[in-house]
Amino acid sequence: KQEVTQIPAALSVPEGENLVLNCSFTDSAIYNLQWFRQDPGKGLTSLLLIQSSQREQTSGRLNASLDKSSGRSTLYIAASQPGDSATYLCAVKADKLSFGAGTTVTVRA
Amino acid sequence: DGGITQSPKYLFRKEGQNVTLSCEQNLNHDAMYWYRQDPGQGLRLIYYSQIVNDFQKGDIAEGYSVSREKKESFPLTVTSAQKNPTAFYLCASNYGGTDTQYFGPGTRLTVL
Repeated sequence: KQEVTQIPAALSVPEGENLVLNCSFTDSAIYNLQWFRQDPGKGLTSLLLIQSSQREQTSGRLNASLDKSSGRSTLYIAASQPGDSATYLCAVKADKLSFGAGTTVTVRA
Repeated sequence: DGGITQSPKYLFRKEGQNVTLSCEQNLNHDAMYWYRQDPGQGLRLIYYSQIVNDFQKGDIAEGYSVSREKKESFPLTVTSAQKNPTAFYLCASNYGGTDTQYFGPGTRLTVL
């Protein structure tokens, strides 16, 4: 059974600092890995999707890396802003989509 | 606008009642999914449907039922057999396979 872990569960940083969010998974036989953003009481918004054959994906200030062999992905958010405050979830796709519990980020102005 | 709508946003249920959560999409997606989210836990799959008139149980299907009579609609019924239904319920859809899933805004169900 695929287990997805995100550590830490919560993170607070001052505005302008770079964010590093971690995701680990136990079974490397995946098709892809996705990072989602969730605002309080809202649905999920897809940020980045990395195919299993890729090492990283970039979108604006966001960069996600994937090391499938070690079962790890990292989401980098450059020059954080208060609007980046949210919960970030990673999910790996094998026979189904398996989610981590998320990292709740607070960016202090 | 294309997207996924869920209603109601908030729902309250008394013990012993069945309630139905609505999910509609106009993205022409073939596959639809229902997830449950509890504090401190990842999303867990309840049911999914890859085509009309067909659906499969996910990891936590007990106490829930679904139907897929139309491509755009995938309602979830939370029955009285579900012992701890208080949670945030999310509906998603995609073209199937490894395509990214698109999520609705969610329904928060509270048992009184």
